[in-house]
Amino acid sequence: GAVVSQHPSWVICKSGTSVKIECRSLDFQATTMFWYRQFPKQSLMLMATSNEGSKATYEQGVEKDKFLINHASLTLSTLTVTSAHPEDSSFYICSAPGQLFNEQFFGPGTRLTVL
Amino acid sequence: QQQVKQSPQSLIVQKGGIPIINCAYENTAFDYFPWYQQFPGKGPALLIAIRPDVSEKKEGRFTISFNKSAKQFSLHIMDSQPGDSATYFCAASPTGRRALTFGSGTRLQVQP
Repeated sequence: GAVVSQHPSWVICKSGTSVKIECRSLDFQATTMFWYRQFPKQSLMLMATSNEGSKATYEQGVEKDKFLINHASLTLSTLTVTSAHPEDSSFYICSAPGQLFNEQFFGPGTRLTVL
Repeated sequence: QQQVKQSPQSLIVQKGGIPIINCAYENTAFDYFPWYQQFPGKGPALLIAIRPDVSEKKEGRFTISFNKSAKQFSLHIMDSQPGDSATYFCAASPTGRRALTFGSGTRLQVQP
């Protein structure tokens, strides 16, 4: 199956700083990628849809100025958490659709801890 | 508003047992129903998926049963093993390359 990578796998930062998370489709092109957030022992919640060459679409309640998404190429989407606060600490996971009907491939996730 | 309801929240079975996890959806536009397995600290991995034009699909030890009229689907794990201990999520999406809506998850523990 298709492979999606994320970098870094974990990051610790101080409150008020910004953190960038990369999501790459390794062996296929993805004009669309999705960013999810997962709090401990909870389900995955969609944050935004990343679209190559256009603006991202954010879900209701997600601050677009705080969570900046850039889909720079057909294989790379980045999520930047700006002015991070402890409540932003979470597991961030990206996914990309494959070639077959609706299938999606998930990255390994990035654990963000804001001190 | 939660659009995919999953139960039970947790499940303990003995090795060799057949755990069953159930999901129900509300949005009739959904037409793709995958199940994902997630281990702690890892991203979800696709196990098996079904479309509403079939009522059952088997892949290895995993079976999906689908009831379109009831808007319900379930995952059965045959001959469960301790290595199957993980959190399982059902999900759904409408046609096209759309984001998934996930159920709340089921923590499965398979005892040796």
